[in-house]
Amino acid sequence: NAGVMQNPRHLVRRRGQEARLRCSPMKGHSHVYWYRQLPEEGLKFMVYLQKENIIDESGMPKERFSAEFPKEGPSILRIQQVVRGDSAAYFCASSPTGQGETYEQYFGPGTRLTVT
Amino acid sequence: AQKVTQAQTEISVVEKEDVTLDCVYETRDTTYYLFWYKQPPSGELVFLIRRNSFDEQNEISGRYSWNFQKSTSSFNFTITASQVVDSAVYFCALRGDNAGNMLTFGGGTRLMVKP
Repeated sequence: NAGVMQNPRHLVRRRGQEARLRCSPMKGHSHVYWYRQLPEEGLKFMVYLQKENIIDESGMPKERFSAEFPKEGPSILRIQQVVRGDSAAYFCASSPTGQGETYEQYFGPGTRLTVT
Repeated sequence: AQKVTQAQTEISVVEKEDVTLDCVYETRDTTYYLFWYKQPPSGELVFLIRRNSFDEQNEISGRYSWNFQKSTSSFNFTITASQVVDSAVYFCALRGDNAGNMLTFGGGTRLMVKP
């Protein structure tokens, strides 16, 4: 059973370009979460999605950031007009359900975004 | 609001020493879940344990053990007879039942085990 997959693993963008980060959840998981880890810091929640729905985007910056989880295909975190402060590791996690005690969030390997 | 504090930013030990990583949490939820994750130098996050708020039984898994103390809002992690491969950043995290499905992470403790 493949784990959570993220690609690319490393992404370099120049200021002003767009960054697209992809996440394929574990098989059978329908809930996806995105977290950001700034250098030397812990992870911060960004957004929680189910298929075709954004459930909680309370951690998303108000501008330039968007996320989707279409009916088919991976979840996409999109950052428009990147700035140096967007340089971070972006982790995706998935879970089989969103409620109850019996789930863990399984994390992907992360995408390391560097903005030059 | 939820908060997780890992006061130790960095710990250095010599191989075979025991080491305890502290985690203190805050939540208004009566039902909540606590987690520990390991982030080795390669960067991925490895799930170690989940503990439910209604189960204060401590847990041991090989050289790892966890001490959950509801009275002090702490969920400490002990590695016995540490090994070089234990060198990593360790994160404690919290999910409250009424705080959405997000995990709130502490700032992490970097553990360095020297041979």
